[in-house]
Amino acid sequence: DGGITQSPKYLFRKEGQNVTLSCEQNLNHDAMYWYRQDPGQGLRLIYYSQIVNDFQKGDIAEGYSVSREKKESFPLTVTSAQKNPTAFYLCAGKPSGRDTEAFFGQGTRLTVV
Amino acid sequence: EDQVTQSPEALRLQEGESSSLNCSYTVSGLRGLFWYRQDPGKGPEFLFTLYSAGEEKEKERLKATLTKKESFLHITAPKPEDSATYLCAAGSGTYKYIFGTGTRLKVLA
Repeated sequence: DGGITQSPKYLFRKEGQNVTLSCEQNLNHDAMYWYRQDPGQGLRLIYYSQIVNDFQKGDIAEGYSVSREKKESFPLTVTSAQKNPTAFYLCAGKPSGRDTEAFFGQGTRLTVV
Repeated sequence: EDQVTQSPEALRLQEGESSSLNCSYTVSGLRGLFWYRQDPGKGPEFLFTLYSAGEEKEKERLKATLTKKESFLHITAPKPEDSATYLCAAGSGTYKYIFGTGTRLKVLA
């Protein structure tokens, strides 16, 4: 099946630990994004990448890191510096072209225990 | 500052009771207005893209329209399976999407 695949669906983290969320796509999308979703708030951009080996901070990048070594993969690491990491994380891809829509994965729910 | 506001926050309808959801936007260089449906615990599912004022798009019981300041998602004769959160997003610049907080729709049988 084609699409944006996020794993795991649920993730539990102890305080002080780093965790990495996986995002893989087979849609040949150039651009990929990570968003955070909290109840009552819109999706907030963490990082985005337009091409391999290049990525840019979004509005809430503090405490997060990413890499883009392959076009198909855009993993997000939630570091211990992120003080409130419990949230629903969404990865998205965007086809080339200025006016195209983003397509989302099914999300990873991260809970700090 | 670019901003997208959706209203109402929540809406309860009886099955068959038509209504509209509103998305107001203030975005410089709008490159598209996007509607998504999101079910609980899942990622948003793309519905429509609108590019210019006056444009309309339809899919089953849903119709999206666009003016220079707002977009509406009209739901005609909704069914319980239409219950979801509906998100709108404005495309700004070459890469950015600004999302509203969504409207939670509940359709009662």
